[in-house]
Amino acid sequence: EPEVTQTPSHQVTQMGQEVILRCVPISNHLYFYWYRQILGQKVEFLVSFYNNEISEKSEIFDDQFSVERPDGSNFTLKIRSTKLEDSAMYFCATTPQETQYFGPGTRLLVL
Amino acid sequence: AQSVTQLDSQVPVFEEAPVELRCNYSSSVSVYLFWYVQYPNQGLQLLLKYLSGSTLVKGINGFEAEFNKSQTSFHLRKPSVHISDTAEYFCAVGYGKLTFGQGTILTVHP
Repeated sequence: EPEVTQTPSHQVTQMGQEVILRCVPISNHLYFYWYRQILGQKVEFLVSFYNNEISEKSEIFDDQFSVERPDGSNFTLKIRSTKLEDSAMYFCATTPQETQYFGPGTRLLVL
Repeated sequence: AQSVTQLDSQVPVFEEAPVELRCNYSSSVSVYLFWYVQYPNQGLQLLLKYLSGSTLVKGINGFEAEFNKSQTSFHLRKPSVHISDTAEYFCAVGYGKLTFGQGTILTVHP
């Protein structure tokens, strides 16, 4: 059964550094999402992406964040200048229509 | 706007006992409802979903949920739990972006 994959599984970075989180969607899926889960808190929507454009974003998704699909397969989330409060588990999800399938997540720790 | 409330943060239960994890939602439009399970150090796995049609939906691992529009609820049930069901369970609502509840940690004791 096809799965969403994410790399890296863990990332440790220094505050102010840029990080890029990668996701490989299921091949026939058209809609892509990023969510995050701060330790002990609920899963929160960050951004949705369709047809090479952001379709919706939350207030969390400020100018420090960006998404792109650089090569038609990967879907990336970039954080330009990480802050301590960006430490979280980041999940990618993809869907052909209404049901979202989640990747295993990237645990980001900002020191 | 939409929101989800999971009424129990933790539910301890003995093996082979029945369990119900409660979820209430609010939304100004018709939405889809989902339950996801998260095992330790893993991602979110879809348990079941309600899109339309029959209000009783069956999912994987023997779980089922009932959509109740008048009570705006989508409670998850299993008639007999196993040790392996120990995990965190998330109720979510949405059409497009998902809004999640706080999660319910189900602990099954032998």
